[in-house]
Amino acid sequence: AQSVAQPEDQVNVAEGNPLTVKCTYSVSGNPYLFWYVQYPNRGLQFLLKYITGDNLVKGSYGFEAEFNKSQTSFHLKKPSALVSDSALYFCAVREPDNRLAFGKGNQVVVIP
Amino acid sequence: DAEITQSPRHKITETGRQVTLACHQTWNHNNMFWYRQDLGHGLRLIHYSYGVQDTNKGEVSDGYSVSRSNTEDLPLTLESAASSQTSVYFCASSGGLAGSEQYFGPGTRLTVT
Repeated sequence: AQSVAQPEDQVNVAEGNPLTVKCTYSVSGNPYLFWYVQYPNRGLQFLLKYITGDNLVKGSYGFEAEFNKSQTSFHLKKPSALVSDSALYFCAVREPDNRLAFGKGNQVVVIP
Repeated sequence: DAEITQSPRHKITETGRQVTLACHQTWNHNNMFWYRQDLGHGLRLIHYSYGVQDTNKGEVSDGYSVSRSNTEDLPLTLESAASSQTSVYFCASSGGLAGSEQYFGPGTRLTVT
């Protein structure tokens, strides 16, 4: 089965500093990878995905992610974090039957 | 604008009662999914459907059932609610193309007393 791992439970970053949320994957074949964000008391919102092509994927709210095949990683990045970026972030990988397998999530705290 | 809605947003029920959570999408998506979210467990798939009359079990399907009589709706039924089913439930839908992202509803917070 396909799987993703998010090794950190919480990421703390100062406002204005770069933000990185880590995700590694384990798949057979070519991976379809996704990032979602969840604000308090809300559903998950789609940020971006990698299907094929350019390894740097740009998404919503200024986020981007870099696909690295040799390191089996798909880290989410933002050059300058905002307090409003404080949320729960999920990495996910597509299963062969179109289901998504989610990681456990990373809590991001941006400190003013 | 297309959307996915869930009702009720909050529900308190007693152990042993039957409960149905509604999910409605106007994306005209074939694929629909039900997840539960619990602290420390992330999102876990309960049931899913790839079209009318199609239903499949996910990783935590015991005690839950779904039916798909039309494209727009996938209600989730708890046959006999248990305290272990206290959770936040999310419905999602996606198009049929490989690599399509899922769109999530706002969630239903269910408490079983």
